[in-house]
Amino acid sequence: DIQMTQSPSSLSASVGDRVTITCRASQNIRNYLSWYQQRPGKAPKVLIYAASNLQSGVPSRFSGSGSGTDFTLTISSLQPEDFATYHCQQSHTTFVFTFGPGTKVDIK
Amino acid sequence: QVQLQESGPGLVKPSQTLSLTCTVSGGSISDGSYYWSWIRQADGKGLEWIGRINFIGSTNYSPSLKSRVIMSVDTSKNQFSLKMSSVTAADTAVYYCARDKVDGYNYWFDPWGQGTLVTVSS
Repeated sequence: DIQMTQSPSSLSASVGDRVTITCRASQNIRNYLSWYQQRPGKAPKVLIYAASNLQSGVPSRFSGSGSGTDFTLTISSLQPEDFATYHCQQSHTTFVFTFGPGTKVDIK
Repeated sequence: QVQLQESGPGLVKPSQTLSLTCTVSGGSISDGSYYWSWIRQADGKGLEWIGRINFIGSTNYSPSLKSRVIMSVDTSKNQFSLKMSSVTAADTAVYYCARDKVDGYNYWFDPWGQGTLVTVSS
């Protein structure tokens, strides 16, 4: 099974900060990776698919990069509504989709 | 736009069967372009994909849950359902339904229902 890890598990940041979250796969997953934002008490919402494609309607301050085993989600200038938990998800293994443990971004 | 809404009992006794339904609005579940998934999240934990189904009832299940899960679809009601047998406290979680999207071999989930909490307790 492909295992997904994320670092850090949590971080504190201020409005306007540049934030980078890393997701690592236990084996090569090419670009079969998506990122989600989950605000407290809410369902996840997709931000990025295919590692670097911005979902329609998602602000351009969000970007994704990487391929193979190492991936990055970057928020270029953190906004108040961005304080949330971020999850990565792989789809390399056919019809066995797995998520990372999540990274919580809170206010410094 | 497509919206999903989960429904079902919020409390299930250990060893019994958990049953949830997802109602799709704003679009047809019979759209052959999509599969429909169930995903859960235990309190303070990560997301776990349970399985998926399409409008003709073709399914894929998580290997770790396959022995206990059955999904079904009712196109006349624009609904799909989840049954999970022999539940334990470890199955206590918020259960989400979601629509699969695909681009080549990339699969992701959008949109999601709001989620429903299922507690397994006697």
